[in-house]
Amino acid sequence: SQTIHQWPATLVQPVGSPLSLECTVEGTSNPNLYWYRQAAGRGLQLLFYSVGIGQISSEVPQNLSASRPQDRQFILSSKKLLLSDSGFYLCAWTQGNTGELFFGEGSRLTVL
Amino acid sequence: ILNVEQSPQSLHVQEGDSTNFTCSFPSSNFYALHWYRWETAKSPEALFVMTLNGDEKKKGRISATLNTKEGYSYLYIKGSQPEDSATYLCAAEAGGTSYGKLTFGQGTILTVHP
Repeated sequence: SQTIHQWPATLVQPVGSPLSLECTVEGTSNPNLYWYRQAAGRGLQLLFYSVGIGQISSEVPQNLSASRPQDRQFILSSKKLLLSDSGFYLCAWTQGNTGELFFGEGSRLTVL
Repeated sequence: ILNVEQSPQSLHVQEGDSTNFTCSFPSSNFYALHWYRWETAKSPEALFVMTLNGDEKKKGRISATLNTKEGYSYLYIKGSQPEDSATYLCAAEAGGTSYGKLTFGQGTILTVHP
């Protein structure tokens, strides 16, 4: 069966520090991968979308970047965090035409 | 960017009550409407994915309907139980270059009191 994991679960970082959140999917190949963020008082917002290795689509202008170095690995990064980067980050995958998203456990980032 | 609205923002009901929520979305370039349940300390889980106008789907005590012409979907819970307490999210998926990219509403927080 397919599983998705992301880490770390919780992160407290100072403003200006770097960020790396990692997500891996097991039990499937060539998934579509997504990073979503839920900021305080807001709905889930799509940040990045990837259909294959090295293929990244950025949905909103921001201080973050994403990379997909391997088929089932998706990484969210920042060189210098801002206060506004605080939020709950969810990695998700889907495959084929089902459309249904499968979410990871989430990572809560607090930037101080 | 799609504008997906959910109402109400929060809802408190007693165990055994039936309840429903609304999700509205742009009807143009529509491809699919998703419902997810997000329980505290867990990951969101898909309830339904609907594509056809007039579609109605059911899973146990939960059902959903879809009207793509007027751009709304209803989620119904019959005989609410405390374990139904969660945030219910809807998300719209547009066609064309937006295929596979979901725009979520802010969610409806349901609390079922024993």
